[in-house]
Amino acid sequence: KNEVEQSPQNLTAQEGEFITINCSYSVGISALHWLQQHPGGGIVSLFMLSSGKKKHGRLIATINIQEKHSSLHITASHPRDSAVYICAVSGWLGETSGSRLTFGEGTQLTVNP
Amino acid sequence: DVKVTQSSRYLVKRTGEKVFLECVQDMDHENMFWYRQDPGLGLRLIYFSYDVKMKEKGDIPEGYSVSREKKERFSLILESASTNQTSMYLCASSLFGQANEKLFFGSGTQLSVL
Repeated sequence: KNEVEQSPQNLTAQEGEFITINCSYSVGISALHWLQQHPGGGIVSLFMLSSGKKKHGRLIATINIQEKHSSLHITASHPRDSAVYICAVSGWLGETSGSRLTFGEGTQLTVNP
Repeated sequence: DVKVTQSSRYLVKRTGEKVFLECVQDMDHENMFWYRQDPGLGLRLIYFSYDVKMKEKGDIPEGYSVSREKKERFSLILESASTNQTSMYLCASSLFGQANEKLFFGSGTQLSVL
């Protein structure tokens, strides 16, 4: 079992739909990151959170520490949101420590016009 | 904005060749990282460095080495490339390497070893 699990692996939506991507992790963490990777490879950090909720434009990230779960929501989705969204956690994870991140496998989102 | 620059976007090498992947960041970050990304496996840490000339192994260091002679530059070296090292390689940096810091990534190098 992976320490960081994302769902779904693939998601196809119509433009304008509300989208949710989920991330579950198995042990205590210091912080959770949501990253976006567009075709071509470059990765951009969207959010970093350790509690509560953060919002940036149409993107909202929430985390529930007790349930070890985070969600990334996209409101009014647009084709330019098509990308891979990656969840990563940092903290004590077995042999992993401190700033070393453990990554989920990513969710491929496709938004059709 | 922080810029992390990887020297090559695509690279094709032959088995047994020595390969250098270069990464430069322009914001005086202490920590730099090399990851590889493979379908179904996500990003995995190869090596990281928290200071000049300092390095630590990540989760999959076998077949790789690194060099950090200057703060802004972190090089990944494949001493003798093999086909199982065909992958997307991503460099990243962060200011102090704390768990609650943002990571900045380069645009990646797609390496093919034939």
